[in-house]
Amino acid sequence: SVLTQPPSVSGAPGQRVTISCTGTNSNLGAAYHVHWYQQLPGTAPKLLIYGNDNRPSGVPDRFSGSKSGTSASLAITGLQAEDEADYYCQSYDTSLSGWVFGGGTKLTVL
Amino acid sequence: QITLKESGPTLVKPTQTLTLTCTFSGFSLSSAGVGVGWIRQPPGKALEWLALIYWDDERRYSPSLKSRLTITKDTSKNQVVLTMTNMDPVDTATYYCAHGAPGYNYADVWGMGTTVTVSS
Repeated sequence: SVLTQPPSVSGAPGQRVTISCTGTNSNLGAAYHVHWYQQLPGTAPKLLIYGNDNRPSGVPDRFSGSKSGTSASLAITGLQAEDEADYYCQSYDTSLSGWVFGGGTKLTVL
Repeated sequence: QITLKESGPTLVKPTQTLTLTCTFSGFSLSSAGVGVGWIRQPPGKALEWLALIYWDDERRYSPSLKSRLTITKDTSKNQVVLTMTNMDPVDTATYYCAHGAPGYNYADVWGMGTTVTVSS
């Protein structure tokens, strides 16, 4: 994948976890926004964070995003069992002239 | 409320052409800035962007699949069609269409997806 994510992260209920997303100078480093999606088992992806750090209506404020240079992060605080899912980062790549996704990170709630 | 629904064959043979239709409601693909994209996900693997079509008929394709893809829109029917030629078993995946947030490069609403298996 063009964007690099860790394959897996885990945390106990109530804890805070972060998921990293690393890009290049043709996507995140070119000032394009990063967006995050949550994919619960057996379902379609759902927009979680857009424009680096904005939450769509209905997304709990336990979820937050940030971006700096060629890197971005998704943070989840107060981890809950229902947060167990796959998380994907996404941006626009100027050299590919299209959307690019990360390889996805599987979050396990211990 | 924006909704999208994918439809098409569940099984195609190798070398055949796949045609998928995305039927949507709650927005118009003639409104400035609006786009519809196709994304796929092989079983157990990551999301992969395939193609985008915008309100002004601008089209974008994944460079690795560009030679095999065609995306078109029928504004009067509220549909977007994706064709992929020369299908191979590695193209087995769930195919999603999604609404591109106007003026931005992300999908704010996704369809439920349709699973396509390529096998003889």
